[in-house]
Amino acid sequence: GQQVMQIPQYQHVQEGEDFTTYCNSSTTLSNIQWYKQRPGGHPVFLIQLVKSGEVKKQKRLTFQFGEAKKNSSLHITATQTTDVGTYFCAEGAQKLVFGQGTRLTINP
Amino acid sequence: GAVVSQHPSRVICKSGTSVKIECRSLDFQATTMFWYRQFPKKSLMLMATSNEGSKATYEQGVEKDKFLINHASLTLSTLTVTSAHPEDSSFYICSARAIRAADTEAFFGQGTRLTVV
Repeated sequence: GQQVMQIPQYQHVQEGEDFTTYCNSSTTLSNIQWYKQRPGGHPVFLIQLVKSGEVKKQKRLTFQFGEAKKNSSLHITATQTTDVGTYFCAEGAQKLVFGQGTRLTINP
Repeated sequence: GAVVSQHPSRVICKSGTSVKIECRSLDFQATTMFWYRQFPKKSLMLMATSNEGSKATYEQGVEKDKFLINHASLTLSTLTVTSAHPEDSSFYICSARAIRAADTEAFFGQGTRLTVV
């Protein structure tokens, strides 16, 4: 099946700094989803992107889907301590295959 | 949003015993559920797709005789780890998507932390 590569693996920022995680695929994706997993918790759905070049915002979070539908990014503006967790991209029409995840830690 | 309930949340068992983990969709029907395994600080690795009324589909490298999956109804799937060994210790998570709704978000259970001693 398809595989998405996600970078970076870890990111540590000062509270208030921005954060970005990237997912890349060698093949065209039908859609991409983003999930957040808090430490000790389970993944929670954030958003799904379907259209080429799509950009969606949720408060301080901005999600982008590349024009070629081979890459996607999640950007958090002015991080807060509540943003701590691991962010995963995932793709698949039926079964979801997850990227490696980016673990975000924040220095308050 | 939809709720998926997974039980138990934690289990400790002795080597050689079997452990059953339940995954229930509480407010929607799911013909398909998915079982993942997650090692500490790692991603979710898809183990198998559980199909209601038929055999599960296992990912490459996952032993079907080791990880028995049963999906007897539209709201319940079970994963049984048979003859458990310490290397089976891990975090197991199930997920489900609503029936006839591909390309929609997946709802996850709370996960089961299995420790084999």
